[in-house]
Amino acid sequence: LAKTTQPISMDSYEGQEVNITCSHNNIATNDYITWYQQFPSQGPRFIIQGYKTKVTNEVASLFIPADRKSSTLSLPRVSLSDTAVYYCLVGANTNAGKSTFGDGTTLTVKP
Amino acid sequence: DSGVTQTPKHLITATGQRVTLRCSPRSGDLSVYWYQQSLDQGLQFLIQYYNGEERAKGNILERFSAQQFPDLHSELNLSSLELGDSALYFCASSPTGGLGEQYFGPGTRLTVT
Repeated sequence: LAKTTQPISMDSYEGQEVNITCSHNNIATNDYITWYQQFPSQGPRFIIQGYKTKVTNEVASLFIPADRKSSTLSLPRVSLSDTAVYYCLVGANTNAGKSTFGDGTTLTVKP
Repeated sequence: DSGVTQTPKHLITATGQRVTLRCSPRSGDLSVYWYQQSLDQGLQFLIQYYNGEERAKGNILERFSAQQFPDLHSELNLSSLELGDSALYFCASSPTGGLGEQYFGPGTRLTVT
């Protein structure tokens, strides 16, 4: 199981870009990196997934260096509604049960 | 709205009792996952089913069991309930059995008194 380490919390202001880094030193060759967002008392929501280099979608970008031992979720121009817990998961795409949600990063966006 | 439904939304029961939580996955999704989220332990993976068969097991207690039916809905059975079982229970579904995009339901909040 690839263990992940994220900052416990981060603060930002509206309109800023936020980068949340996840460390996963023992990532395996066939592991993917997936990020989820969770609001209080709601189920997590998928944000983005990647294997290497850079992935971008309409809400975020995911940067993965060549050694894949870390990854960075980038949220452009955050708003108050982006205040949530962000989880980084690492695991094989063939077996979701082998991956775990860590403690996550609580992002607080201030006006 | 993720397309995953869970019933009931809230459940209050006493210690020692047995409850059943129900999950209907998104249309077409073959894989169902169950998670437990309590204040002190974060989001814990319990068990995964894929097309009716158990695919992966996480930190699921022996007092807990689950199954996925031919119509792909799933039930999580919790028995001999203890105060510490009070938590939010989430169900998620995905088209495949992999780590890829999981769609979470709204959860069932279980309170054991």
